[in-house]
Amino acid sequence: DAGVIQSPRHEVTEMGQEVTLRCKPISGHDYLFWYRQTMMRGLELLIYFNNNVPIDDSGMPEDRFSAKMPNASFSTLKIQPSEPRDSAVYFCASSFIDRAYEQYFGPGTRLTVT
Amino acid sequence: AQSVTQLDSQVPVFEEAPVELRCNYSSSVSVYLFWYVQYPNQGLQLLLKYLSGSTLVKGINGFEAEFNKSQTSFHLRKPSVHISDTAEYFCAVSQTGAGSYQLTFGKGTKLSVIP
Repeated sequence: DAGVIQSPRHEVTEMGQEVTLRCKPISGHDYLFWYRQTMMRGLELLIYFNNNVPIDDSGMPEDRFSAKMPNASFSTLKIQPSEPRDSAVYFCASSFIDRAYEQYFGPGTRLTVT
Repeated sequence: AQSVTQLDSQVPVFEEAPVELRCNYSSSVSVYLFWYVQYPNQGLQLLLKYLSGSTLVKGINGFEAEFNKSQTSFHLRKPSVHISDTAEYFCAVSQTGAGSYQLTFGKGTKLSVIP
């Protein structure tokens, strides 16, 4: 298996622009997670899906952030409009439902908002 | 709610020397404990886990960790490090059972192995 795939790996955009981050989880995994990593706050869980259904989005910082999972093999995290404080590394991870703690992470998308 | 404290943000160590990365946690409920490793420009990878049973757990790449309930600690050790162990290490905790998906991570410890 190729592991969790994320694109793009790097994104530089100007404040106010829409940003879409993409994730392909490991085939057969039931859970999909989106995390944000910053120096100040470390790793934070933003949202997770169970069988494509959003279960807990309490970590999503604001209404500017939205996430979707239209099918078992694809998810997006969208920021609209983007702000400089959104600059971070965004990770997608997936897992089996009976081992939800054993999460497989993608390589991340480094987002820079200028 | 849980919290994790990694006491050292950076640990430099010479190659072939032993290393211990410290982790303390706080929780009002039973927990699972984990160490994840992040190599440069990569995602996190599970290194080892404690779910139940023996308090000494062994992971990949020669690492081990010991769960100490009275000290609420889960320190990571390796008797002899290699250059390839240079990475950032994250301690994490989750509730047992249905809440186990919710990992709470520490801020990380950067291990630098010096040739």
